[in-house]
Amino acid sequence: SSELTQDPAVSVALGQTVRITCQGDSLRSYYASWYQQKPGQAPVLVIYGKNNRPSGIPDRFSGSSSGNTASLTITGAQAEDEADYYCNSRDSSGNHNWVFGGGTKLTVL
Amino acid sequence: QVQLQESGPGLVKPSETLSLTCTVSGGSISSYYWSWIRQPAGKGLEWIGRIYTSGSTNYNPSLKSRVTMSVDTSKNQFSLKLSSVTAADTAVYYCARVSFGVATNWFDPWGQGTLVTVSS
Repeated sequence: SSELTQDPAVSVALGQTVRITCQGDSLRSYYASWYQQKPGQAPVLVIYGKNNRPSGIPDRFSGSSSGNTASLTITGAQAEDEADYYCNSRDSSGNHNWVFGGGTKLTVL
Repeated sequence: QVQLQESGPGLVKPSETLSLTCTVSGGSISSYYWSWIRQPAGKGLEWIGRIYTSGSTNYNPSLKSRVTMSVDTSKNQFSLKLSSVTAADTAVYYCARVSFGVATNWFDPWGQGTLVTVSS
């Protein structure tokens, strides 16, 4: 089991807003980074730090954090956003190791 | 821009050592951390470890006893060795560059990944 917990699956209607969450103790003091992975492709970074988007990532993707929960929000979900989403952060050991959440399968209806 | 490419055998026998290399192009390997991450078919991502260009390493505690990472700055490459493999090590293996910020880290870019199958 992962130290970062994600809902296995989430769905959203086309054009609506969806929030994907990631829970873990390390998130109280460390920001998550978020990755989008489409079938047969390598993961792509979509959000890092407090709320930073790499060049080329649409501004409908945003990140936030509260307590032990990090969130990835897609405002106005598009069909091409259907993918698996993974969060990443430090583990809780204090040894500066990293861990991924189990992933959330996003379906755009 | 920086690109990463994994290479190595796609088939490894049980109990043997898996060896992969990641070649960095479009930029220098120096002064960055680099990571290996794997993904069994149909499952999630697992962080294997990281290496700095000085050779300093950190490994996933669950794999630490079997993992060795190294770096060759002259070739702009870093490598992964995983010993005593079993079928459970069958996965797509990715390499990625690590960056750090205030209370955060991220992996970008990633290599395309290479499938390693453990089978006799």
